[in-house]
Amino acid sequence: GENVEQHPSTLSVQEGDSAVIKCTYSDSASNYFPWYKQELGKGPQLIIDIRSNVGEKKDQRIAVTLNKTAKHFSLHITETQPEDSAVYFCAPLNSGGYQKVTFGTGTKLQVIP
Amino acid sequence: NAGVTQTPKFRVLKTGQSMTLLCAQDMNHEYMYWYRQDPGMGLRLIHYSVGEGTTAKGEVPDGYNVSRLKKQNFLLGLESAAPSQTSVYFCASSGELNTEAFFGQGTRLTVV
Repeated sequence: GENVEQHPSTLSVQEGDSAVIKCTYSDSASNYFPWYKQELGKGPQLIIDIRSNVGEKKDQRIAVTLNKTAKHFSLHITETQPEDSAVYFCAPLNSGGYQKVTFGTGTKLQVIP
Repeated sequence: NAGVTQTPKFRVLKTGQSMTLLCAQDMNHEYMYWYRQDPGMGLRLIHYSVGEGTTAKGEVPDGYNVSRLKKQNFLLGLESAAPSQTSVYFCASSGELNTEAFFGQGTRLTVV
């Protein structure tokens, strides 16, 4: 099965600074790379995703970059705000044959006002 | 739009009791999942289903059973609850391949 690791496990940044979270995976057949945000007391929610034929995708202050050769992808948050404080999960997916979503261990981001 | 609905939201069980957690989705999704989330452990897959009438084991299936008799519902059963099953349980569903997973709000289960 897919082996997924996230780094760092916790991250504290000053408001306005940038944050980067990295996800490494083991299955070279993975072809879908999403990032989820989980706020306290809620279920995870998709914030951005990228597919294997694209190297980078941006959506306002967030972006995801993909390096398929090295088998990792990263979440970039610029101009961080207190409401960005949450736990972030990656969940690379190999959709061939069946679909089983395996999540990374999570990164707790704290944005200090 | 309801999306993914889990019931109940909270439950306290005594060791050895049984219960069923219900997950319902109204998006006509093929794939459904049950996860547990423990502090510092992230989300771990218990069981999943790739369609009505099918189920499969995830990473941590022991002590749990599931059923998917109807496409919109995915049930998670605990036959004899143990304190180690104290956790927050999340159900999720997804549609076409390579699409996002939609999560319910979670069920906080405490086994005493």
